Amino acid sequence: EAGVVQSPRYKIIEKKQPVAFWCNPISGHNTLYWYLQNLGQGPELLIRYENEEAVDDSQLPKDRFSAERLKGVDSTLKIQPAELGDSAVYLCASSRGRRDGEQFFGPGTRLTVL
Amino acid sequence: GQQLNQSPQSMFIQEGEDVSMNCTSSSIFNTWLWYKQDPGEGPVLLIALYKAGELTSNGRLTAQFGITRKDSFLNISASIPSDVGIYFCAGQLGLGYGQNFVFGPGTRLSVLP
Repeated sequence: EAGVVQSPRYKIIEKKQPVAFWCNPISGHNTLYWYLQNLGQGPELLIRYENEEAVDDSQLPKDRFSAERLKGVDSTLKIQPAELGDSAVYLCASSRGRRDGEQFFGPGTRLTVL
Repeated sequence: GQQLNQSPQSMFIQEGEDVSMNCTSSSIFNTWLWYKQDPGEGPVLLIALYKAGELTSNGRLTAQFGITRKDSFLNISASIPSDVGIYFCAGQLGLGYGQNFVFGPGTRLSVLP
C-alpha cells in the first residue's frame, strides 16, 4: 500500500512569491490534514478535511493561505504571498475517518523563503 | 491553546540501555499517539492508545495511557543506533470523535555506540 505522497520535497522561493504544495493521501483515507512544523517543534494543525469538506481551518492564516480538496482525494495548500516567517516544513497526513485517529504522514515539503 | 509537555527534551544514552520518556498535560485526552521522526522525513506512527491504563507494545517499544488521562509514557528497551530520532506524543482532546490532535515538542534521542 502506497503511503502519503507529497510534492515537491523542497521549495526555495523569494518573499512575496506564491507557492503551492500537493498531497495525495493513502487510498481510502477520508480525512486529510495539513500541518506546519517549525524547526525543533511538533506539528501544528493548519486544516483538516473530512472528504471534500474543510471541517476545521481555525488555525489557517486565511489572509495568505488557502487549501482545497475538490474531489475528496488529493489536496493542495497554497501560500500567496509568502513571507520570511513561512519557512518551515509542511506536512500532510491522512486517516481512515473521524473515528480512526491514527494519522499517517507524508515526508513533508521543506519551504525556504528568502 | 492546549499544550503538551514532553520530558526529557533530549537524552543521550549508551547502546543497549533502556529509555523512558513521558508526555503530560493539564487537559484530559481520550487518545494518545506516539510517533518517531527521522531527519528530513515525516513522523511515523509507533503506538496508539485508546483507554486509560492501557499498556501496548510494539517490538522493543512499550507505551502506556496514564490512568489520569493527562499523561502517557513511552519506553524503549535495549536501545540500538536506529532508535536515534525525535519522538513526539500526540493527544486527542475530549471524549468526542473528530477532535483534533495536539502534538508535543518532542524528545530528541541520541544513542552512543
